[in-house]
Amino acid sequence: DVKVTQSSRYLVKRTGEKVFLECVQDMDHENMFWYRQDPGLGLRLIYFSYDVKMKEKGDIPEGYSVSREKKERFSLILESASTNQTSMYLCASSLYNPGQGARVEQFFGPGTRLTVL
Amino acid sequence: AQKITQTQPGMFVQEKEAVTLDCTYDTSDPSYGLFWYKQPSSGEMIFLIYQGSYDQQNATEGRYSLNFQKARKSANLVISASQLGDSAMYFCAMIFMNRDDKIIFGKGTRLHILP
Repeated sequence: DVKVTQSSRYLVKRTGEKVFLECVQDMDHENMFWYRQDPGLGLRLIYFSYDVKMKEKGDIPEGYSVSREKKERFSLILESASTNQTSMYLCASSLYNPGQGARVEQFFGPGTRLTVL
Repeated sequence: AQKITQTQPGMFVQEKEAVTLDCTYDTSDPSYGLFWYKQPSSGEMIFLIYQGSYDQQNATEGRYSLNFQKARKSANLVISASQLGDSAMYFCAMIFMNRDDKIIFGKGTRLHILP
């Protein structure tokens, strides 16, 4: 079974702190993603990565950065946490899309509920 | 612009009844895939079913089926014989095969199954 793990289920931080959210997958997937989920807004893509040391901005990258030094690990960094970053953060991974018609589902971690005070 | 719309923010259904969750999408890409995910109160996202834009038949996975109407750009999820454990948030999502591997999600429908 594909397994995606996230370092914490719940995290409480203070405004201005630097926050690291870690995600590890064990299925040798090329792609990894970070989303945030807020009520009424669904999932919004923050950053994604196709390969080690590669990253692409998603729809809401402001205030976040990422790091992918190893294929299995994708870290989300909040350089200076703010209260509007209080949210549920979901990490996902998938195989590289081999082409037209292929199914490329994303496998999700359990989520980290971050509260910034 | 690519977009997924789920018009039902919440639904209440009696146990054992069939449920249809609506999903419409907007894209000009000819090659795409559609997913449904379930998110129980515990928070994890569970993949349910997939439909490719070139698939001739509607996808089925156990009690889940996808009513794919390509011309209407609709991909409704049908759950037959609903169970209490089906109470959850359900997300429709779309991937574009000729682009990157990003998936865009709808805002979700919260389904409540009543005993």
